[in-house]
Amino acid sequence: EIVMTQSPATLSLSPGERATLSCRASQSVSDKLAWYQQKRGQAPKLLIYNASTRATGIPARFSGSGSGTEFTLTISSLQSEDFAVYFCQQYDNWPPGTFGRGTKVEI
Amino acid sequence: EVQLVESGGGLVKPGGSLRLSCAASGIIFRNAWMNWVRHVPGKGLEWVGRIKSKVDGGTTDYAAPVKGRFTISRDDSRDTLFLQMNSLKPEDTAVYYCTTDHWVAAAPNDYWGQGTLVTVSS
Repeated sequence: EIVMTQSPATLSLSPGERATLSCRASQSVSDKLAWYQQKRGQAPKLLIYNASTRATGIPARFSGSGSGTEFTLTISSLQSEDFAVYFCQQYDNWPPGTFGRGTKVEI
Repeated sequence: EVQLVESGGGLVKPGGSLRLSCAASGIIFRNAWMNWVRHVPGKGLEWVGRIKSKVDGGTTDYAAPVKGRFTISRDDSRDTLFLQMNSLKPEDTAVYYCTTDHWVAAAPNDYWGQGTLVTVSS
């Protein structure tokens, strides 16, 4: 099984700051990497797929990069609505694919 | 707007059964491949299973921990996805989500429902 490791577990930042979230795969997943955002009490939302492609309607302040085993989600300037939990998922072997445990971005 | 609404969760004893539903709107459901994904407390998100559209064969795939106990089905006339869960174990306790599979994006879970909580406990 491909293990996805996200870091840090919690990121404490202020509105306007830049957020950098990491996701590491235990073996290469090429660019088959997605990022999801989940706000408390809401459904998860797809942000990024194929490592760097923004999903429909996702603001440009969200960007993804990386390939192989190292991936990054960057939020260029945090807005109040961006404080949430972010998950990565590899789907190089979909299904089943595997998810990371998440990074909580908090104020 | 795509909407997926799960229902049917609740408290069930070990060994019991439960049937979850997921009502879809905003998509051509009969053409959609659909997944169930669960969020196990303290363990993260885990894919449960998938059903293809009938036009693509309607076949199902399951994760190893649920194979033989869970069954995914669909009713295209009602735009509804089902998850029949039998022989439930405490480790099946989770929030269960239905998701679309590569519906608009090249991603396996591009839309998600809000989830329904299943608790397996005596």
